[in-house]
Amino acid sequence: SQQGEEDPQALSIQEGENATMNCSYKTSINNLQWYRQNSGRGLVHLILIRSNEREKHSGRLRVTLDTSKKSSSLLITASRAADTASYFCATEFTGANSKLTFGKGITLSVRP
Amino acid sequence: DVKVTQSSRYLVKRTGEKVFLECVQDMDHENMFWYRQDPGLGLRLIYFSYDVKMKEKGDIPEGYSVSREKKERFSLILESASTNQTSMYLCASRHGKPIEAFFGQGTRLTVV
Repeated sequence: SQQGEEDPQALSIQEGENATMNCSYKTSINNLQWYRQNSGRGLVHLILIRSNEREKHSGRLRVTLDTSKKSSSLLITASRAADTASYFCATEFTGANSKLTFGKGITLSVRP
Repeated sequence: DVKVTQSSRYLVKRTGEKVFLECVQDMDHENMFWYRQDPGLGLRLIYFSYDVKMKEKGDIPEGYSVSREKKERFSLILESASTNQTSMYLCASRHGKPIEAFFGQGTRLTVV
C-alpha cells in the first residue's frame, strides 16, 4: 500500500500549546493534503500543499513539505480544546489516476 | 455548500446478505471514492470512480463491487456480507485532481 505514515500516533497537549504532526511517504507525489475527523464523523479538508510548494498557511495551521525527505508537517498554533480530533495526511501520487491515499491518522487531545 | 450524502448512518445486516451502500453528491464531481475505516488501520481505499461507468480497484477491493450509472451516485455493494466487513464506510467526492475531497458522514455497518 502507498499510505503516508503519520507520527506520532497520539499526541496530548495543554490548551494554548502548539501541536506538531508529521507525515512521511514513500514515492513521488503530486500533492499532500491534511484532513481532520471529529469522533465518528466524516473527514473535513484542512489544507493542500502541492509538490512544488514548501510551506502554506491557513489561519492557525502551517504546513510544510520537504520532497527530498518525503515528509510533511502540520503545525497547529495556540491549540484549543475544540482542536481535539484525529488528523490524517493524504497523498496523491504522481501517475495515479485521481487516487487519494490516507495514512492511519494521529489522535490529538487538547486538555483545557 | 458541497453535500455528500450517505444513505444510512447505521446499518445492521446478516452474514450472507447482499448489502448496498449508497452515496450521492450534489456538486457535479467527476471523482468518487469508497473507503473503509478500522481502528489502527486508518482509511483504506476500496474502489474509486473517475467518471460515469468508470471504476478502478483500490487497495482492498475483495468482497466488494461498485456501480456508477449516474454522475451523482456511487454505490458500494457487498455481494455476500461477512463479519469481517463490519466497519465504518466513508464516501468522498471531488472534481478532477488535484484538489480537496468532500466526505459524507459515514455508514457504520455491522454484520452479524
